[in-house]
Amino acid sequence: DQQVKQNSPSLSVQEGRISILNCDYTNSMFDYFLWYKKYPAEGPTFLISISSIKDKNEDGRFTVFLNKSAKHLSLHIVPSQPGDSAVYFCAATPVGAGAQKLVFGQGTRLTINP
Amino acid sequence: DVKVTQSSRYLVKRTGEKVFLECVQDMDHENMFWYRQDPGLGLRLIYFSYDVKMKEKGDIPEGYSVSREKKERFSLILESASTNQTSMYLCASITWAVPYEQYFGPGTRLTVT
Repeated sequence: DQQVKQNSPSLSVQEGRISILNCDYTNSMFDYFLWYKKYPAEGPTFLISISSIKDKNEDGRFTVFLNKSAKHLSLHIVPSQPGDSAVYFCAATPVGAGAQKLVFGQGTRLTINP
Repeated sequence: DVKVTQSSRYLVKRTGEKVFLECVQDMDHENMFWYRQDPGLGLRLIYFSYDVKMKEKGDIPEGYSVSREKKERFSLILESASTNQTSMYLCASITWAVPYEQYFGPGTRLTVT
């Protein structure tokens, strides 16, 4: 039962354009949503998060949007740069006792073309 | 600077061997995690530990065990390695502050032949 889903395994974007990565969730009992970035042969690194009570959070070129009615979040990268090529995971923090356990999506491989 | 280290970056073992993967964090975090990452499946939680000598099964614990004798060290043990345990193994520890960001080690690419 996959509670957090990334339905696009890969995405290819031209350098300088906007990259939009999507994530859907099936459980409303999540407190925070996080995005992680992973390069090959490295561990994931935290990118940006959003509280379930917010709609938007921005950090430099990265913006995360949360649509609670649709149970959907998206990560926007503007402008996209070659160094953004990586696998991106969305994750969610369950409310309550399991708050420390993140639930991860399957990941989306982003490729930025020069 | 936050640091999670894993004992090996690459490991090749034979079927049936006992395998130890070590993870050390220097952030004084109580909670530590072991995941495996496989293409198309994302990160799947194997085991986690919320204190010394305390452990809980994650989503895919079969074929694995763990040990946490010291707060900073969390070990994953494959009792008898099998080819379907070929994977990238990632260790993480977590801060108590919201949004409960997990800090990951660099990963161990394990190949079982």
